[in-house]
Amino acid sequence: DTAVSQTPKYLVTQMGNDKSIKCEQNLGHDTMYWYKQDSKKFLKIMFSYNNKELIINETVPNRFSPKSPDKAHLNLHINSLELGDSAVYFCASSQDFREGYNEQFFGPGTRLTVL
Amino acid sequence: KQEVTQIPAALSVPEGENLVLNCSFTDSAIYNLQWFRQDPGKGLTSLLLIQSSQREQTSGRLNASLDKSSGRSTLYIAASQPGDSATYLCAGHMNRDDKIIFGKGTRLHILP
Repeated sequence: DTAVSQTPKYLVTQMGNDKSIKCEQNLGHDTMYWYKQDSKKFLKIMFSYNNKELIINETVPNRFSPKSPDKAHLNLHINSLELGDSAVYFCASSQDFREGYNEQFFGPGTRLTVL
Repeated sequence: KQEVTQIPAALSVPEGENLVLNCSFTDSAIYNLQWFRQDPGKGLTSLLLIQSSQREQTSGRLNASLDKSSGRSTLYIAASQPGDSATYLCAGHMNRDDKIIFGKGTRLHILP
């Protein structure tokens, strides 16, 4: 199946821990994104990468560090987790943000719960 | 600062009716506009993307329009079905840096 996939689907952890969420797309896209959906279901962009280069960093705390080993992967590492980090995190990809037609495709989400 | 607003926040209609979901944005510098649906506990599914040079897009029973001058987009759903029940999100792509701003969505419930 061609898709954007994320692992894990659910993540429950204690405050202060460090965790990672992985994202992979096999659509051949150049641009990948991380979004956060809070408890009120509001979606907000966190980062975007184009061909492993950081394009957007939306003043996210530096406890969040995206890593793109290649253009098909964009992982999200979170240090010193806080209660407010509990949310659903979505990965997405698009062909190339510089192109005119730039439809974004989303992964299934990772529900992070910080206790 | 771009803001995307969706009205109504929730909508219930009987099966078979045609309906319109509204999306408005404050900055006409929007580049593209994309409509998504989100089912409970699921990710987002892209429905339609309207490029800045276009005024509408159609896919099956869905038709989306974009009027940049008035800062509005609408999603028209014809002959609604219970399977259309979901949250519908509109999102504006800002210029070419592709920062995407989401509305808070309209929760649609189609009554059988």
